[in-house]
Amino acid sequence: KNQVEQSPQSLIILEGKNCTLQCNYTVSPFSNLRWYKQDTGRGPVSLTIMTFSENTKSNGRYTATLDADTKQSSLHITASQLSDSASYICVVTPANQAGTALIFGKGTTLSVSS
Amino acid sequence: DTGVSQNPRHKITKRGQNVTFRCDPISEHNRLYWYRQTLGQGPEFLTYFQNEAQLEKSRLLSDRFSAERPKGSFSTLEIQRTEQGDSAMYLCASSFGWVANEKLFFGSGTQLSVL
Repeated sequence: KNQVEQSPQSLIILEGKNCTLQCNYTVSPFSNLRWYKQDTGRGPVSLTIMTFSENTKSNGRYTATLDADTKQSSLHITASQLSDSASYICVVTPANQAGTALIFGKGTTLSVSS
Repeated sequence: DTGVSQNPRHKITKRGQNVTFRCDPISEHNRLYWYRQTLGQGPEFLTYFQNEAQLEKSRLLSDRFSAERPKGSFSTLEIQRTEQGDSAMYLCASSFGWVANEKLFFGSGTQLSVL
């Protein structure tokens, strides 16, 4: 069964610190892996999209990595800010399937405190 | 604001009532998706439109749910005879371009509470 598992479930860090969120998936083959940021009470916003052949993608202070061999991805947040407090969702698209087949993880809830 | 717009943002209703939500996608986007999200979970796919055609519906979508996208523009999602289990955030997303790497743009959602 195609699954996307994220860890940790929740994380609390101090403002200015770095953190790394993990995503393990069993979807194979897949066409791309995405990371979304979702603020409380809002819809998800795309951070990065990586195809199966890409290893890393950056978006400002956010850097996503992908290891297709181990089926793992990580999202690294540098110099965290209070506004980074949100849920971060990993999403995998099975190969040759449309957006209707996106497999969402449950997300990691990040809290950045001052 | 040129993003995906959803209305209302919040809806409180009594069990058994009907509710209707609206989604206005980004104007040039031909694909539109509805998702449902409960607390602590990722979004679950409900249904998908390409232009005005409803091409796919999830097995999760009971007969009480119906969606339309007249003229391929805005979309509505109606829930009839609401149940407490319908309480959730209902998200709309739109996209265009190559399907395999399409970028979904989500609205802010409609939070439904069924009392």
